[in-house]
Amino acid sequence: NAGVTQTPKFQVLKTGQSMTLQCAQDMNHEYMSWYRQDPGMGLRLIHYSVGAGITDQGEVPNGYNVSRSTTEDFPLRLLSAAPSQTSVYFCASGRFRGGTEAFFGQGTRLTVV
Amino acid sequence: KNEVEQSPQNLTAQEGEFITINCSYSVGISALHWLQQHPGGGIVSLFMLSSGKKKHGRLIATINIQEKHSSLHITASHPRDSAVYICAVIVTDKLIFGTGTRLQVFP
Repeated sequence: NAGVTQTPKFQVLKTGQSMTLQCAQDMNHEYMSWYRQDPGMGLRLIHYSVGAGITDQGEVPNGYNVSRSTTEDFPLRLLSAAPSQTSVYFCASGRFRGGTEAFFGQGTRLTVV
Repeated sequence: KNEVEQSPQNLTAQEGEFITINCSYSVGISALHWLQQHPGGGIVSLFMLSSGKKKHGRLIATINIQEKHSSLHITASHPRDSAVYICAVIVTDKLIFGTGTRLQVFP
């Protein structure tokens, strides 16, 4: 998955703690997004962005904040972690208008205890 | 009802068998992805389709836009093909995912 860098790969948080998942891409893609993957539910869209300064909510946005100050970076913030946010998180980027390949980060396995 | 449905959910095959995974969707799309995810691993895009058919090695993907259906075929399956295969459609600026098909290929 060259081109999309997602960190960290693993994280354990206590309930109520905050953290930021980082996502960066160097392909000049307008589109970036965050998904969570839970057993039996597939990937669900949390937030997405179609360009710097523009963000929008996906299917499951509650408990998460995002910002897009540059084209390259799209961090995902958990302000007060809850056990229900235990999941695997993926960042993706692409140039969807007109159709293009999607590129995914390596994933972050987050456990909230 | 999910906007993207995949079948089967689980698939077991013997090495060498021909595999077909199906994806049906209920929304208008601009393109469709087939993705592969190995256990504990990241997600890799295998194909992006907006019409017709694409082939890459032993993998073939087809799409019928009128019928809102796509298939992923694996010829001469191999244990290293064991993975979860995910169909995802592009709707405006969003990717909407199916729940995936877990494939296990035994030697």
